[in-house]
Amino acid sequence: EPEVTQTPSHQVTQMGQEVILRCVPISNHLYFYWYRQILGQKVEFLVSFYNNEISEKSEIFDDQFSVERPDGSNFTLKIRSTKLEDSAMYFCASSLGIAGANVLTFGAGSRLTVL
Amino acid sequence: EDQVTQSPEALRLQEGESSSLNCSYTVSGLRGLFWYRQDPGKGPEFLFTLYSAGEEKEKERLKATLTKKESFLHITAPKPEDSATYLCAVPQGGSGNTPLVFGKGTRLSVIA
Repeated sequence: EPEVTQTPSHQVTQMGQEVILRCVPISNHLYFYWYRQILGQKVEFLVSFYNNEISEKSEIFDDQFSVERPDGSNFTLKIRSTKLEDSAMYFCASSLGIAGANVLTFGAGSRLTVL
Repeated sequence: EDQVTQSPEALRLQEGESSSLNCSYTVSGLRGLFWYRQDPGKGPEFLFTLYSAGEEKEKERLKATLTKKESFLHITAPKPEDSATYLCAVPQGGSGNTPLVFGKGTRLSVIA
C-alpha cells in the first residue's frame, strides 16, 4: 500500500538553529500538507501546497516557516530559527484531490525537540 | 470557538464492552466528516469518510454514523488492539482546498 515517508523520525536541535523536515508524498497525489501536534494537544494545520505554491496557511505558519517541493518527489518544511515552542510532532500528508472530497494520508511524523 | 468537539476525552472499556464516541461539529455546509485512528507516536490513519446525514460506514468492530450536527463512532465488542486515540476531522469551510480541522480526540483504552 502506498505510504507517505518522513525523515528524520526524530531531530534534536538548539534554539535558533534551522531545521528541515522532509517528506515523500504518495507518488500520484497532487495536494500536500504539513500538520503539527504538540504533545498532548490536537493535530493542527500548518500549510497546504498545490501546483508548486501555498494554497492555505494557518496563523502558526509565520515567516519562520517555509515549504518547498524541490523536485518531483520531495516536499520539505523549513523552520529558519527554531524556538522552544516549535517542539512538536510534525506530520506530512498528501491527497489525490482537495481535502474535503479526498482522504488525506499521513506519514508517521518527525518529532522535533528544540533545546 | 472549536469547530470540532469530541467526547469523552478518554474512555476505558473492558474487552467486549461496546460503547460510542461522539464528534459534534459547527461548520456549515459540511463537505465530509473524517474519522482517523492515531496510535502513540504515529500519524493519523484513515478510517472513514461520511458525507450526508444518515450515512453509515462499517469496518470490523467499528461503525460510523452521521447526523446533521454530530457523528458517532460505535465500537462493538472491542479488543485490546482497538486501544488508540480516535480523531474526528472536518474541512474548515468555504470553497476550494480548505484544510481539515481536527478535534482533540478520544483516547480509548480496552482492557483484557
